[in-house]
This record gives sequence, structure tokens and C-alpha cells, in this order.
Amino acid sequence: GQQLNQSPQSMFIQEGEDVSMNCTSSSIFNTWLWYKQDPGEGPVLLIALYKAGELTSNGRLTAQFGITRKDSFLNISASIPSDVGIYFCAGQLGAAGNKLTFGGGTRVLVKP
Amino acid sequence: KAGVTQTPRYLIKTRGQQVTLSCSPISGHRSVSWYQQTPGQGLQFLFEYFSETQRNKGNFPGRFSGRQFSNSRSEMNVSTLELGDSALYLCASRTGGNTGELFFGEGSRLTVL
Repeated sequence: GQQLNQSPQSMFIQEGEDVSMNCTSSSIFNTWLWYKQDPGEGPVLLIALYKAGELTSNGRLTAQFGITRKDSFLNISASIPSDVGIYFCAGQLGAAGNKLTFGGGTRVLVKP
Repeated sequence: KAGVTQTPRYLIKTRGQQVTLSCSPISGHRSVSWYQQTPGQGLQFLFEYFSETQRNKGNFPGRFSGRQFSNSRSEMNVSTLELGDSALYLCASRTGGNTGELFFGEGSRLTVL
């Protein structure tokens, strides 16, 4: 089945830093989504991407849909403490009714 | 607009029991999906319902089942609970069209003792 590799698995951020994470797939997707999950909560949709090469921003977040359709990345600029959480990428192949496949998540922590 | 609502938020069961979890989607959303989240396996797709019909199914045993009602509300049931069923069960809704944008509830955390 489809596999989504998300990296890094975890990272430490210092306030003000830019950080990035990415997902790669063994097969193509037609939709890429990025979610953030805080402890005890469900994932919250951050950005949705629908076209290869598409670059979309949401505040300090920027995500891109890779040209090959097999990868996507998420950048966080000027990180702040509330950026801490787990970020998930998800891919969907095809149109209505197709399930999302999720990456394993990137845990973002604050540098002590 | 109210978000996805899941009940109960927390529950504890013992092995062999069964459990029913409930989900009310965002108003106007006709598709409801269920996911299991565990530290080891991440987010795993259980099934999706659209217009009261199961549209898609993940690789879970038959002990996991679900249904959707005419008002789009959904329930999932797990019978003969096992310790490994302890997880956060997430419900997500979407309009049901081509968009892949899922909106998640806060989840039901099930602990099996």
C-alpha cells in the first residue's frame, strides 16, 4: 500500500528560527494536506494543496506540493512557542471517497 | 459553525467488553471517517461513511464496525475489546465531494484494561 515517510521525526525549535519538514511518498497523490495536533486534541487542518508545484501560505506557514506529486514540504517561519505540537502530512489519491494516508508526524519541541 | 463533536471524550473498558463511540459531523458534511491513533502506529484509517453507506474501509478486523444515520451522525463499535485497542479514536468529516479536506473532532480516548 501507499507509504508516507515524514521527516524529521522530531525537532527542537528556538523562538525566531525557521523550520521545515517534509513528506515523501512511494506513489503519487493528487492532494496534500498538512495538519497540526496539540496534546489532547484532534488534528487541525493548516494547509491544503491541490496542484503539483503549488505553493500556499497560511500566516507564517508555507507548504508546497512537489512537482513529482510524491512529496510535499512545510516551512514555519519565525517560530514561536505555540508552534510546539505534532505536524502531520496527509495525501489523498483521486477524488471523492478516497482515504487520506498520513505520515508518521513531526514532533516539534522547544529547545531547553 | 460547530465543529465535529465526539462523545464520550474518555472511557475505560475491560477486555472482552464492547464499546460504541459517537460522532456528529459539521453541519452540511455528509462524509464521516474514523481513524485510530496510537503512539506506535500513528493515524490509521478505519472506515468512511457517506450517505449512510460505507464508502471505504481500512485494514482492521471485523470487530471494528460503524454506521451512519440519515442525519450524517455516525457511530463506531468495537466488540470483544483487546488491550491493543487502547487508542485515541478520531472522527473526521468533510463535505463528501472531491475535496480531501478532513476536519477532525477532539477524539475519544479509549483505555482497555
